[in-house]
This record gives sequence, C-alpha cells and structure tokens, in this order.
Amino acid sequence: DGGITQSPKYLFRKEGQNVTLSCEQNLNHDAMYWYRQDPGQGLRLIYYSQIVNDFQKGDIAEGYSVSREKKESFPLTVTSAQKNPTAFYLCASTKGHSGNTIYFGEGSWLTVV
Amino acid sequence: AQSVAQPEDQVNVAEGNPLTVKCTYSVSGNPYLFWYVQYPNRGLQFLLKYITGDNLVKGSYGFEAEFNKSQTSFHLKKPSALVSDSALYFCAVRDMITPGTYKYIFGTGTRLKVLA
Repeated sequence: DGGITQSPKYLFRKEGQNVTLSCEQNLNHDAMYWYRQDPGQGLRLIYYSQIVNDFQKGDIAEGYSVSREKKESFPLTVTSAQKNPTAFYLCASTKGHSGNTIYFGEGSWLTVV
Repeated sequence: AQSVAQPEDQVNVAEGNPLTVKCTYSVSGNPYLFWYVQYPNRGLQFLLKYITGDNLVKGSYGFEAEFNKSQTSFHLKKPSALVSDSALYFCAVRDMITPGTYKYIFGTGTRLKVLA
C-alpha cells in the first residue's frame, strides 16, 4: 500500500541525547514536511523540503535538524539543544504542485525521561 | 501572511443532529482550504478541500464544507452526526512561499464530541 511510514511510534529520550525520527514515503511525492503537535497549539512547522538535497527551516526549527538524501526519506533529528522536545511529531508529504493535498503519517511520540 | 482560525475549542452535538465546525481564513489571493480529522494517537486524515469552483465541497464520511468568500469562512458540516465522528478537526490553508514552493498552515483544532 502507498503511504507515509513513521518510526518508531513511541520513543523515549534521556536528557542530552540526540534522537532521530524516521519518515519514509512511497507515494513518489516531491515535498516533505515535519510538524510538531502540542495540545491546544495545533500543528507547527519544523522543516520542509521541496526536492532532494534541499530543505528549509519552518517556524520552530531551533533544536532540530533534517536531511533529504533520497526522495522518499526525510528523517528528523531532535538534538539536545531542543529544550522541550516532548510532543507528537507528524511527517507529511505532497506532490508539490499547485492545489495538492498534504498527506500525513501516523505520527511519533517523543518523551523526555 | 496566510492564517486560519478555529474559534471553538470544542463542539458538542447530539447524535443524529446536524453539526458545524467553524473555520475562518485570512489570505491574499485565492485561498486553497482543507479540512482534516485526527483520531487519538493517529495522523491527520484528509476530509475535503476547496480549490476553485462550486462553493459547496463534498468529502469523505458524509462531510461537506461551504466556502464563503464574503465572510472568509470555510465551515465543515454534516447533516446527521454519528458518535464515531467524535475526533479532533483541523482547518488548513496552503501558503505559497515562492512559486512552486508551498507550506500548509493549520488551525488550533476543534474537538467534536457527539453524544449518544
């Protein structure tokens, strides 16, 4: 089945650790996005990428990093510089041309312990 | 900058009654508007979108939305609510950063509770 796969579903991070969330899509979509969801705040954009080897910061990029080495993959690293990383993280993708729908993965929960 | 607002944190409706979840937008140019639904611990599922054309858009699971340009609104509706419709609903707008490059801006969400 075509879709967006995020892993792991649940992840625990110790203080000072970097962790990486995986996002893979087999929809042949050009653009990929990472959002963070906190209760009552909706979705906030962390990073996005329109093409391979290119990505841009979103509204809350500090403490996060990404790479886009392959069209189908867009991993997100939550670094130790992110002071409040506990949240639900959502990866999404679109075909990239005008008017297209953005589709989401099932999300990953990150908790700092 | 483009934005959407969902003025209600929660909407309660009795099963079988019509439901409305409100969304207003602020955009320059023609808006590209979307509705999504989220169940607990899940990703967002696409319901419907307005790009152009008929102001009444029909989507998945019996939902529809009415685009109203004069009121800058895009309210989500369903004629008869089901208990299984209880979820978190998001309105979104597409924002052009540069030609061919877009990001999507989401409202804060409205929790719909359908009471049996």
